[in-house]
Formats: sequence, C-alpha cells, structure tokens
Amino acid sequence: RKEVEQDPGPFNVPEGATVAFNCTYSNSASQSFFWYRQDCRKEPKLLMSVYSSGNEDGRFTAQLNRASQYISLLIRDSKLSDSATYLCVAYTGGFKTIFGAGTRLFVKA
Amino acid sequence: EPEVTQTPSHQVTQMGQEVILRCVPISNHLYFYWYRQILGQKVEFLVSFYNNEISEKSEIFDDQFSVERPDGSNFTLKIRSTKLEDSAMYFCASSEDRGMSQPQHFGDGTRLSIL
Repeated sequence: RKEVEQDPGPFNVPEGATVAFNCTYSNSASQSFFWYRQDCRKEPKLLMSVYSSGNEDGRFTAQLNRASQYISLLIRDSKLSDSATYLCVAYTGGFKTIFGAGTRLFVKA
Repeated sequence: EPEVTQTPSHQVTQMGQEVILRCVPISNHLYFYWYRQILGQKVEFLVSFYNNEISEKSEIFDDQFSVERPDGSNFTLKIRSTKLEDSAMYFCASSEDRGMSQPQHFGDGTRLSIL
C-alpha cells in the first residue's frame, strides 16, 4: 500500500464549480499534513496546513480525519488559475516527508 | 518574501561525471532537505539535514549522493558517477522547524539532464 495515496484525476471542472480531493495515508504515526500545489515543471508551493479541527483559507477548506487516516481539500468557486496538480503531504515524524503522487485539476472557462 | 534559491536552473552532464547542485535556504531556517522528481512522477524525499549532519535519508540516497553545508548559507547535493536514471528535477527545501506547524519552502529546482 502506498504511504500517501491520491486519486490522480484529472478532474475537469467548469469555472465556478466546487471540487473536492481526497487523500489517504497508511502510517498512523504521521503527525502533520499539508496540501501543496504544483504547476507544470515548477516547484511545489504550500497551499495550506491541515488540522484535525479543519481549516479554511478563502475558497479552500482542508480537513483531517485521523480515525480514517483521510485528508480532504475542498475548492469552492474554482478559477482558471486553480488549474494545477494538488499534492497531499504527510510528515511522518523524524525528518521524513512523504508526498502523494498528486491530483490534476483542470478548470475550464 | 524570503525564498529558497537554487543554482543552476539546468545542468547537463555526461554520464559518469560528478555534479554539485547548490541551494541557499531561507536565512533563519534550520532544517534543510533535498527531493527529486523524475519527469511525470511524484516528489521523492532524498535527505534531511540539521545541525551540520544528515538527520534522515531515503533508500534512494545511497553512497552515490552526499550533502554538505560548506558555509553559513549554502547547502549542496553532490552526485558522483551520474547515471541516466539520475535525470530529474532536484528540489531543495528548508523549514524553521521540523514538520508540525512549520511547512517546508521549496526552491524552484535544478533540472538535471544526464546524457
């Protein structure tokens, strides 16, 4: 089983749509979680941290369910500029960070 | 906003040669990382570095690889006897603290092409 697993997509949505991505992790000792976005051939950029209580940043909402070892990202009112690959990241303690393979999102006009 | 800088942006090297990839982490950060991303694949952890020593390394980071912080600002990744399969994007990252509420900030990468 992959340590961090994501649906690769692609998700093709129209502008203004709401889209949700899911991610599961296998190591119950994982301590911290993040969503990054990566544009084609660019570096990963932090989108938001993920907390058990859930957190929201503008159009983006992230949620963590430790019991189910599941992380989600919700994007509301999608913009063309949201088109990217979204990476789920788990920090497993020590100094090791595990990236999921990413979910590709295409937002169409 | 402070950023992680990497040089060169693109390195082309003959198979069997040695390469050194350079990174300048954000100045008040204490934890440094190298990752690689083979084209079309996921970002893979290579190594983390703290207090002038390796903290953790992955199975990928074998004797062919080494890291060094030669001065107060630079953080380097050396790859000896390069192979075709070393062709990838290499990202350096740094963080103030390890994990928890302190995410890693990435440089814009060095594209390594082995011929």
